[in-house]
Amino acid sequence: GQQVMQIPQYQHVQEGEDFTTYCNSSTTLSNIQWYKQRPGGHPVFLIQLVKSGEVKKQKRLTFQFGEAKKNSSLHISATQTTDVGTYFCAGFQGGSEKLVFGKGTKLTVNP
Amino acid sequence: KAGVTQTPRYLIKTRGQQVTLSCSPISGHRSVSWYQQTPGQGLQFLFEYFSETQRNKGNFPGRFSGRQFSNSRSEMNVSTLELGDSALYLCASSSSGGTTDTQYFGPGTRLTVL
Repeated sequence: GQQVMQIPQYQHVQEGEDFTTYCNSSTTLSNIQWYKQRPGGHPVFLIQLVKSGEVKKQKRLTFQFGEAKKNSSLHISATQTTDVGTYFCAGFQGGSEKLVFGKGTKLTVNP
Repeated sequence: KAGVTQTPRYLIKTRGQQVTLSCSPISGHRSVSWYQQTPGQGLQFLFEYFSETQRNKGNFPGRFSGRQFSNSRSEMNVSTLELGDSALYLCASSSSGGTTDTQYFGPGTRLTVL
C-alpha cells in the first residue's frame, strides 16, 4: 500500500548537536507537511512545503522538499531541550486526499 | 479562537462494547478528519467529513464509522470493540479539507479496551 517511510525511528543527541529526520514516499507527494508531537500531547503543525526543491526555515529548523517531490527532510541545528518530541512528516500521495503519515522520529535531547 | 476539543479524554471499555467519541472543530472549519494513533502503526487515517458527508475513508473495518452534524461537530463510533482498538483517537479540523489546508489536531481520546 501507500507508504511514507521516515528515518531514523529514534535519535538521541546532546544539547547543542544537530538533528535531521528524513522522509521518503513510494510515490509523488502533492505536498509535505511536518508536525511535532510533544510527549503526552497531540501533533502540532509546523510547516507545509508544496514546490519541488522548496526550502523553508523557521529559526533553527530547516525543511526541504526534494526535486522529485518524493522525499523531504527536517534539520534542527543546535538542539535544545525544548526540541524534545516526535517529528512526523505527512503527505498526500498521487492525488489522493488521504493524508499519510510517516511513523515519526522520536528525538530526545540530553542537557 | 478556541482549539479543537475532543470528549471524553479517556475511556475504558471491555471487548464487545461499543463507543462514541466526539470532536468539536475550530469555529468556521468545515472539515473534520479522524486518526488512530498506536505505538506500532503510528498515525493512521480513519475518515474525513466535510459538510456532513464522508469524503474520504481509510482502510479500517466497518466497525469504525462516523458522522458529522450541521454545526460541523463530528462523532466516531466503534462497535464490537477489540483489544487492538486500544489507541489514541485524534481528530483534526481544517477550513475546507483541501490538500494544502493546515490541519489542527485536538488533544485526543485515549481509549483502552480490556
